[in-house]
Amino acid sequence: EIVLTQSPATLSLSPGERATLSCRASQSVSSFLAWYQQKPGQAPRLLIYDASSRATGIPARFSGSGSGTDFTLTISSLEPEDFAVYYCQQRYDWPPLTFGGGTKVEIK
Amino acid sequence: EVRLVESGGGVLQPGGSLRLSCAASGFTFSNFALSWVRQAPGKGLEWVSGISISGNSTYYIDSVRRRFTISRDNSKNTLYLQVNSLRVDDTAIYYCAKGRPEDDFYFDLWGRGTLVTVSS
Repeated sequence: EIVLTQSPATLSLSPGERATLSCRASQSVSSFLAWYQQKPGQAPRLLIYDASSRATGIPARFSGSGSGTDFTLTISSLEPEDFAVYYCQQRYDWPPLTFGGGTKVEIK
Repeated sequence: EVRLVESGGGVLQPGGSLRLSCAASGFTFSNFALSWVRQAPGKGLEWVSGISISGNSTYYIDSVRRRFTISRDNSKNTLYLQVNSLRVDDTAIYYCAKGRPEDDFYFDLWGRGTLVTVSS
């Protein structure tokens, strides 16, 4: 089973700042990695797939990069609605599909 | 409107059974792979099970294999999860999730979830 480790667990930032979230895989997942955003009481929303492709309707301030075992989600300038929990997910080697433990982006 | 609506959750004792349903609308249900993803209270996401477009291929995490059964009825636009021999650690919100057209197991549409609570 591929284990995804996200860091940091919590990121405290102010609106307008840049957020950089990390996801590290226990073995290579090539570029088969996605990022999701989840707000309290809501279902997750797909942001990025295949490491760097934005999903439909996702603003350009969200970008993904990486391949192999190290991946990054960057939010270039945080909007108030971006404060949420973010998860990475791999579909390279499954079952099982696996998610990371999440990074909470909170208001500083 | 494109959406997924889960139902069937509830409060059960350990060893109990339930059937979760996920009703789809607004898209061609039979063209997409589907999955169940769960989230224990205050915890992260855990993929539980997936099913192919035809329903001929099914997939599970080890902890639910032989206890849970995923199925779909393309004529009713509905996904199911039969959950048996429930354990306390199965307590979670269960989400239904649709795969992207090109990548069956990235999830571009989610329901709001149904809560399953297992407690003695």
